Amino acid sequence: DTGVSQNPRHKITKRGQNVTFRCDPISEHNRLYWYRQTLGQGPEFLTYFQNEAQLEKSRLLSDRFSAERPKGSFSTLEIQRTEQGDSAMYLCASSLGAMTGGRETQYFGPGTRLLVL
Amino acid sequence: AQSVTQPDIHITVSEGASLELRCNYSYGATPYLFWYVQSPGQGLQLLLKYFSGDTLVQGIKGFEAEFKRSQSSFNLRKPSVHWSDAAEYFCAVEGASSGNTGKLIFGQGTTLQVKP
Repeated sequence: DTGVSQNPRHKITKRGQNVTFRCDPISEHNRLYWYRQTLGQGPEFLTYFQNEAQLEKSRLLSDRFSAERPKGSFSTLEIQRTEQGDSAMYLCASSLGAMTGGRETQYFGPGTRLLVL
Repeated sequence: AQSVTQPDIHITVSEGASLELRCNYSYGATPYLFWYVQSPGQGLQLLLKYFSGDTLVQGIKGFEAEFKRSQSSFNLRKPSVHWSDAAEYFCAVEGASSGNTGKLIFGQGTTLQVKP
C-alpha cells in the first residue's frame, strides 16, 4: 500500500491555459474523490467516482472543469481556460466505499498546488 | 444543509500543556465525524473518526475526541501537546446526499502553534 499519489505537486500556469492533474488512488479502492482547498479554508468537495462512474459533481465544478477515471483506476482533473480564481490546492482521496457495508476512511494524497498568473 | 464550524481559527499552546480544539456540526441525522491533520505542504491525515457506539473515540498520536449529540459537538483533545503537533486541524462530517456518497464537509480549520 503506497498511498494516494498526485502529480504534479505544483503547477504554475498563465490565465487561459489548460492544466491537467493526475491522481493515483490506493489500489483496489473503488471510490475516488476530488476536493479543492483555498488558502485559509477547509477542503471543498468537487466530485467523486465509484469505479469508473462519476456519480456526483458539486456546483463548484464549472463547465471548465472535467474529471475522468478510465477503467476505474487513476483519475485526471482538467481545467480549461484557467482563471486566477482557480488558484488552489487540489486534493484527491480514495476509499473502499460501500462494498464493505460501512463508512470507510478517505485517504488523501499530498495535493497539487495550482497558481494561475 | 450540513455544515461544520470550527470557532477557533488559531490557537497557541505551550509544549506539554493540554489541548482542546472545538468543532460544532449541523446535521439532521446521526453524523459520521472525522478529525484530520494537515502539515504544511502535505495532504490530510486521519486522526480519528466516530461512526457509532462509544462517544469517546481514541485516535493516533495520543488524540481523542468526544461526541456530544446534545451540544452538536465533536471536540478534539490531547492531554500533553508536543512541538510536532503544530499543524492545521480539520473537523469534517460525512454529508448526506442521494445515496451513500461518502463526501466530506470540512470546517475551515484551526491552526495550532506550539510554544517551546
